[in-house]
Amino acid sequence: EADIYQTPRYLVIGTGKKITLECSQTMGHDKMYWYQQDPGMELHLIHYSYGVNSTEKGDLSSESTVSRIRTEHFPLTLESARPSHTSQYLCASSESRNELREQYFGPGTRLTVT
Amino acid sequence: SQQGEEDPQALSIQEGENATMNCSYKTSINNLQWYRQNSGRGLVHLILIRSNEREKHSGRLRVTLDTSKKSSSLLITASRAADTASYFCATNSGGYQKVTFGIGTKLQVIP
Repeated sequence: EADIYQTPRYLVIGTGKKITLECSQTMGHDKMYWYQQDPGMELHLIHYSYGVNSTEKGDLSSESTVSRIRTEHFPLTLESARPSHTSQYLCASSESRNELREQYFGPGTRLTVT
Repeated sequence: SQQGEEDPQALSIQEGENATMNCSYKTSINNLQWYRQNSGRGLVHLILIRSNEREKHSGRLRVTLDTSKKSSSLLITASRAADTASYFCATNSGGYQKVTFGIGTKLQVIP
């Protein structure tokens, strides 16, 4: 079991609300990632970070934002949730090496926006 | 378009049979990884194969890589009901510190 945690596991929220999905890892990994995954579909990278104060947008355009103030913490924020944001959000981390190797995933947050 | 595309998208077999899943990709890679995802959960890393390797084993898993055909296969031998999950390939290309995931193969192993 990987030492990477996501809260909440499930969230149902109304349109227009601001939400923050939490992700923490205790492995000291520099690299962290957020993926969006619809049921039965592929993962899409929406944000990643190489380390503290580093954030980059991923391959899929997202209205969310992220921050990396501490190595272990990589929260994702939606300023105004919409039904189109309904999805599963997966956080992952990996060691800092020249070559990207295995990623460790959290259990995910399943978000429903009504 | 997706870098990795798994084939088949769904597979149903009897317990004890072997399961083979294939992955094709489009650009040159540093390595290719296979992950497993149980329903509603995060992904778990299974095995990584580098571009200069052709075959790798881990327990009941066997992965092959053919860079000339830009394809990889994952073989699970003597399948068990607990192997029921979705399996994803992920490719890591040069210069990028990220991977691109395929659409996955949903495997069902019937007891």
